[in-house]
Amino acid sequence: GAVVSQHPSRVICKSGTSVKIECRSLDFQATTMFWYRQFPKQSLMLMATSNEGSKATYEQGVEKDKFLINHASLTLSTLTVTSAHPEDSSFYICSVAGGADTQYFGPGTRLTVL
Amino acid sequence: GQQVMQIPQYQHVQEGEDFTTYCNSSTTLSNIQWYKQRPGGHPVFLIQLVKSGEVKKQKRLTFQFGEAKKNSSLHITATQTTDVGTYFCAGGDMRFGAGTRLTVKP
Repeated sequence: GAVVSQHPSRVICKSGTSVKIECRSLDFQATTMFWYRQFPKQSLMLMATSNEGSKATYEQGVEKDKFLINHASLTLSTLTVTSAHPEDSSFYICSVAGGADTQYFGPGTRLTVL
Repeated sequence: GQQVMQIPQYQHVQEGEDFTTYCNSSTTLSNIQWYKQRPGGHPVFLIQLVKSGEVKKQKRLTFQFGEAKKNSSLHITATQTTDVGTYFCAGGDMRFGAGTRLTVKP
């Protein structure tokens, strides 16, 4: 399967600041990537589908102006949490679409907003 | 979107006992995937089922897809401590079930 990295693995920021999370597909050309968030001991919630060279498709209830996604190349997608607030604290995980609906996940980024 | 319900939420077993988690959908699924997430880790793809009534095995793990393609199960035979983690199913539209957290007592 694809090898996916995320950076940073952990980030702590002050309320009101913006945080950028990078998701890289190291050995696979990823035309499609997915962004999830996961609260402690809960399931993964799909936030958006990121398509290389086009606008992301956001799930219902996810603010596109708050969670900016850029997928400018086949190996990199970024998620920027703008004007972060404590309720945005979560585990953010990206994944790369493999063949036939399979996914390969990155290691995740734990965001803590103070 | 379609909802995928997963039960049980938690399962604690003695090492050597069997374990099963179930996923159910109100609508027909095009396929279903299973993932395992170790504590503190990220989900790792285990398998995908596509065909009605499909059964696949990976060593001690047996995966089934229902005839109506609305339910699926993951069965682990003779659990080991390395099986600890949360097992998620996901429908064909990337929507995950709530997960079943398995703990194994040595």
